Amino acid sequence: NAGVTQTPKFRILKIGQSMTLQCAQDMNHNYMYWYRQDPGMGLKLIYYSVGAGITDKGEVPNGYNVSRSTTEDFPLRLELAAPSQTSVYFCASRYSPLQTEAIRDEQFFGPGTRLTVL
Amino acid sequence: GDSVTQMEGPVTLSEEAFLTINCTYTATGYPSLFWYVQYPGEGLQLLLKATKADDKGSNKGFEATYRKETTSFHLEKGSVQVSDSAVYFCALTQGGSEKLVFGKGTKLTVNP
Repeated sequence: NAGVTQTPKFRILKIGQSMTLQCAQDMNHNYMYWYRQDPGMGLKLIYYSVGAGITDKGEVPNGYNVSRSTTEDFPLRLELAAPSQTSVYFCASRYSPLQTEAIRDEQFFGPGTRLTVL
Repeated sequence: GDSVTQMEGPVTLSEEAFLTINCTYTATGYPSLFWYVQYPGEGLQLLLKATKADDKGSNKGFEATYRKETTSFHLEKGSVQVSDSAVYFCALTQGGSEKLVFGKGTKLTVNP
């Protein structure tokens, strides 16, 4: 198993450009998440998905969009990049058999994408 | 809202020293508590967790006890190794919520 994979590892964007951060997992996990990690700060949840076709906003969703057409993939879209979106982005996944269960189970994280917007 | 406060880093220790990284939380209800570790160039990995008061999580020689009376979940290890050098994050979640609330992280460097 490759686990959670993310591409690209690094990217520099100009203000106003768009890009998609890719995330894939091969563990058949139903839950997937996108976080951002700003320097010296903890991770903040951007969006999450409880299964294919279902997504919901997290703590800091503005400026981002997501889709979940398959169990394996959960891309994050930046439409108009801004300097405030300079951050490290982490994708994560977990398995929960019951959608009403509290998040007690381990989240598995990808290695991250370091994005700089100039 | 819910929050997690960790001791400020960086922390530098010699090999075989005792480690404590303090973590306190503010939350309504009864959160689950976690320690995640991030090795250089990698994503976060779950180190240990505790889901109710007085539970002790342990893994790889690390321990943390869920103390409801002091709202704390301090991470300890009796003898650190160079390979423990990483950033450690304390986190919590509330029942029914998908949101993990993270502390800012504490960078640990262990010298030989």
